[in-house]
Amino acid sequence: QQQVRQSSQSLTVWEGETAILNCSYENSAFDYFPWYQQFPGEGPALLIAIRSVSDKKEDGRFTIFFNKREKNLSLHIKDSQPGDSATYFCAASDSSGSWQLIFGSGTQLTVMP
Amino acid sequence: EAGVTQSPRYAVLQEGQAVSFWCDPISGHDTLYWYQQPRDQGPQLLVYFRDEAVIDNSQLPSDRFSAVRPKGTNSTLKIQSAKQGDTATYLCASSFGGGQNTLYFGAGTRLSVL
Repeated sequence: QQQVRQSSQSLTVWEGETAILNCSYENSAFDYFPWYQQFPGEGPALLIAIRSVSDKKEDGRFTIFFNKREKNLSLHIKDSQPGDSATYFCAASDSSGSWQLIFGSGTQLTVMP
Repeated sequence: EAGVTQSPRYAVLQEGQAVSFWCDPISGHDTLYWYQQPRDQGPQLLVYFRDEAVIDNSQLPSDRFSAVRPKGTNSTLKIQSAKQGDTATYLCASSFGGGQNTLYFGAGTRLSVL
């Protein structure tokens, strides 16, 4: 059973567009949702994160929208740049349980110039 | 500040051979994690330590995989008898305090088992 699901394996947008990456989860106890960005040949790096008490988190061009009732969230990348081309992982953890971070399978974003 | 360092970067071996991966976490980070990342998938936790103690190794294939962190700093992950299904990138990460604190990942070791 995949606890964290990313609906798109890949996404292509044009430079300047808003890229929207979707994620859903199974465990209603999850309360922390980071997004990690991974470039080829590198390890993942934390991009932005949200806790379940919030429905929106913004950091520059990156925004997470969170819907607790529907158990889904999305990462919006505004004004996408070619340098944003990378794989994005949605992850989740449960502070009342094992704390273990569960990763989705990732969405590979390509931003065309 | 130096990040998480892993070596080697690449390893190619035949089935049945052994291999070890080494990780040097960020200085001062007490929690260290080993993840397996198959191609085109997300990282999957194998084992993690708080200082020198194993906190959770329930997803480590214990018959062939082992991991140690003897002094609570560097760590080694070993595969005794590799199988083709072990082909993946092995990522080490560290954090301060564990829990939901930020994980800092190394670049990983890409393992190919022929």
